[in-house]
Order: sequence, then structure tokens, then C-alpha cells
Amino acid sequence: GAGVSQSPSNKVTEKGKDVELRCDPISGHTALYWYRQRLGQGLEFLIYFQGNSAPDKSGLPSDRFSAERTGESVSTLTIQRTQQEDSAVYLCASSLGGQGNSPLHFGNGTRLTVT
Amino acid sequence: GEDVEQSLFLSVREGDSSVINCTYTDSSSTYLYWYKQEPGAGLQLLTYIFSNMDMKQDQRLTVLLNKKDKHLSLRIADTQTGDSAIYFCAEIPNYGGSQGNLIFGKGTKLSVKP
Repeated sequence: GAGVSQSPSNKVTEKGKDVELRCDPISGHTALYWYRQRLGQGLEFLIYFQGNSAPDKSGLPSDRFSAERTGESVSTLTIQRTQQEDSAVYLCASSLGGQGNSPLHFGNGTRLTVT
Repeated sequence: GEDVEQSLFLSVREGDSSVINCTYTDSSSTYLYWYKQEPGAGLQLLTYIFSNMDMKQDQRLTVLLNKKDKHLSLRIADTQTGDSAIYFCAEIPNYGGSQGNLIFGKGTKLSVKP
């Protein structure tokens, strides 16, 4: 079946504008994760959903960042009043369960550039 | 805090074996993972090992786990130019509130020279 799908693949926005990033997980995967990858860096955890609830939001860097998930389906990551430091690749992943016993499957990411 | 450490670069010749090393901090981690990232792409799961195993082999890939030293390695036999990528080690720390969330190392960039 299809893998994790993210859109858009690239987004260029002006500083101060809001952006919305979308993730379509693998069908049947209950857990969904958002990560951020700055240029040349590892992955930074942002938020984790189990179903449509978010038991772990500890990685969201500021209150400009928020995320929603509809049921066990699509998730959107919203960044308000974007700053240049928000420029990064935002990766979404999903897994069958959220207890660490099933591997994460990643999308190809959204490359966000804030000018 | 939790931290996963990897060397940043590794260069090998085509046909040689590559060994990528990783150290992790949470001794109660249940699963440890290796992911591969090619330029412009997302992360591809390569393999993973359960914490009660010492070794796992999958075709050209061998994963070794030393729980005592919290050391994980990935060996790629007969390395090919197509193996050039960044390899990430990841653990799932077993502390309250974050189960399922992977902690990644910064990645090891493997360059394979013909």
C-alpha cells in the first residue's frame, strides 16, 4: 500500500506568515509523529499522536507551533508567524502502535524555507 | 537528558565493509533502530533490534548490540556506491510520557569511493 505522504514537498514563505503542513499516514497506523530536521542536523522530535490525542507535545519549540489530527488519519502541523529559524525539513512518521514495538515509517518531508 | 551519539563521517572503498557505531543512554530502551537517508528523501527503516538480542543479520547488514556498554553498531558487508547516505541510529527511551518517540543521533554520513 501507499507510504506516508506529506504535502507540500517544498514551501517558501515570507517571515511572519502562517504555514500549514500536511501528513497522510499509512492506513491503519494509529501513531503519528512530527520531527524537524535542520540542515546538517539530526532529527528533533516535535509531537506524537496516538489516535487523535497528543500524549506528548514536549518537543514543540514555541506556542507558534501547533498540530492536529483527525481520528487516525490526516495530521496538520501549523506554524504561525514564521521566523527564519523555522527553516528546516519537517518529517512525519507513522507506526502501527505507539508503544515502541513497531517501527516508524517516514514520509519524504516538507522542506520549509522562510525568507 | 537522553542522547544518542554517532561519529559524523565514514569513508570506505567499494567492496569493503563499513561499520557505523552508535552509543545510547537509556539502558531500558526496548528497541534500537537504524535508518538510512538518501539526499532529498525521508528516512528509510533499514533494520531494528530488540534489546534482548545481541546480534541480528539481514543479508548484507549485521547489527550488534552491547547492552552493558550501550553500544550499537551496523556493519554493511561488500559496501556499494548505492550505500552512500546518512545513517541514523535511534532509540526509544522508556520513560513516562514519551513511549514510542524515537530519539535520533545526528547521523553518520557514509561515503563510498569506487
